[in-house]
Amino acid sequence: DGGITQSPKYLFRKEGQNVTLSCEQNLNHDAMYWYRQDPGQGLRLIYYSQIVNDFQKGDIAEGYSVSREKKESFPLTVTSAQKNPTAFYLCASSIGPGEQETQYFGPGTRLLVL
Amino acid sequence: AQSVTQPDIHITVSEGASLELRCNYSYGATPYLFWYVQSPGQGLQLLLKYFSGDTLVQGIKGFEAEFKRSQSSFNLRKPSVHWSDAAEYFCAVAYSGYSTLTFGKGTMLLVSP
Repeated sequence: DGGITQSPKYLFRKEGQNVTLSCEQNLNHDAMYWYRQDPGQGLRLIYYSQIVNDFQKGDIAEGYSVSREKKESFPLTVTSAQKNPTAFYLCASSIGPGEQETQYFGPGTRLLVL
Repeated sequence: AQSVTQPDIHITVSEGASLELRCNYSYGATPYLFWYVQSPGQGLQLLLKYFSGDTLVQGIKGFEAEFKRSQSSFNLRKPSVHWSDAAEYFCAVAYSGYSTLTFGKGTMLLVSP
């Protein structure tokens, strides 16, 4: 079954700790995206990658970092610099980076601060 | 800057009644428009999309949407709502030359018996 997997489903972070959210896809898609969702705020783009070993900042990249070493994987690290990390994080992918390409979403990871 | 407005935060519809969810986008040449649905605690699923051609597009689960360039709108409709349609609905827009989507803040649909 092709799709996008995100793990873990729930993640807890202590103050001052970095945590990494996993996103894997087996759709052979070139482009991948990370969004943050807060209640009543819709989805906001954190980072995106159009091809392996390349990525760009989205609208709210501060306090986050990413890597794209493999086509199928796009992990997101929430650093201690992100002062308000509690949110629902969604990963998506598309065949290519064009504006006509449909983005397919994973099931999400909910991050909570202890 | 690209923006999408969904004026209704919540909408309650009786089961079997018709539904219309509103979406307005900021003016721009050649918008690419999408509607997604999200069940609680889940990812987003694409309902339908508009790129060009016929301004009335059909999607999954009996949904349709109409693109009206003069009103910068892309409203989602369904003739008869089912209880399983209760979810949050997001409108999104992309523009030619930009590879990212801009999402609205969502409309939560509640279905009453």
